[in-house]
Amino acid sequence: EAQVTQNPRYLITVTGKKLTVTCSQNMNHEYMSWYRQDPGLGLRQIYYSMNVEVTDKGDVPEGYKVSRKEKRNFPLILESPSPNQTSLYFCASSLTLAGRNEQFFGPGTRLTVL
Amino acid sequence: SQKIEQNSEALNIQEGKTATLTCNYTNYSPAYLQWYRQDPGRGPVFLLLIRENEKEKRKERLKVTFDTTLKQSLFHITASQPADSATYLCALEGNNRLAFGKGNQVVVIP
Repeated sequence: EAQVTQNPRYLITVTGKKLTVTCSQNMNHEYMSWYRQDPGLGLRQIYYSMNVEVTDKGDVPEGYKVSRKEKRNFPLILESPSPNQTSLYFCASSLTLAGRNEQFFGPGTRLTVL
Repeated sequence: SQKIEQNSEALNIQEGKTATLTCNYTNYSPAYLQWYRQDPGRGPVFLLLIRENEKEKRKERLKVTFDTTLKQSLFHITASQPADSATYLCALEGNNRLAFGKGNQVVVIP
């Protein structure tokens, strides 16, 4: 089944404790991205990757890191999480450029930073 | 600054009627525009993509129009059903990215 998976689905952590949210797709997609969704603010892009070893900032990259060492995986790293990073996070992938192709979204990761 | 505007008020509509949602944008020149459906706590699901040279696109009970002069897209759900209740997001292509509107909730009343 074609899908985007994220882990964990739910995470409660404390300020400053490094964490990684994994994202994997099995569709051989070139383009992957991370979004956060907050009430009243909608979906905002954090980082995106157009292919292996190619990453770029989105609208709200501060406090996040990403890497794309393999085509299928695109982990999101929070080196020192803060309470303002409490949010619902979605990973997405598409065949090529985001705007020109259907985006497949993961199920989401609900993160709470205390 | 760039803006994508969708109505923040929920659209309450009687079952069987046509729901129409609007997406207006400013300072974008998208070659592509997409619509997604999102249910609470779940990831958005792709519905339709329309190109700038297409005036209208249909898929089953869904219809999207794209007017680059007005900088507006309309999204229609005909013969609406309670199962159509969700939030609908428009998204615009630009600079290798997809920017989303905040979404418009639709509630279909049986």
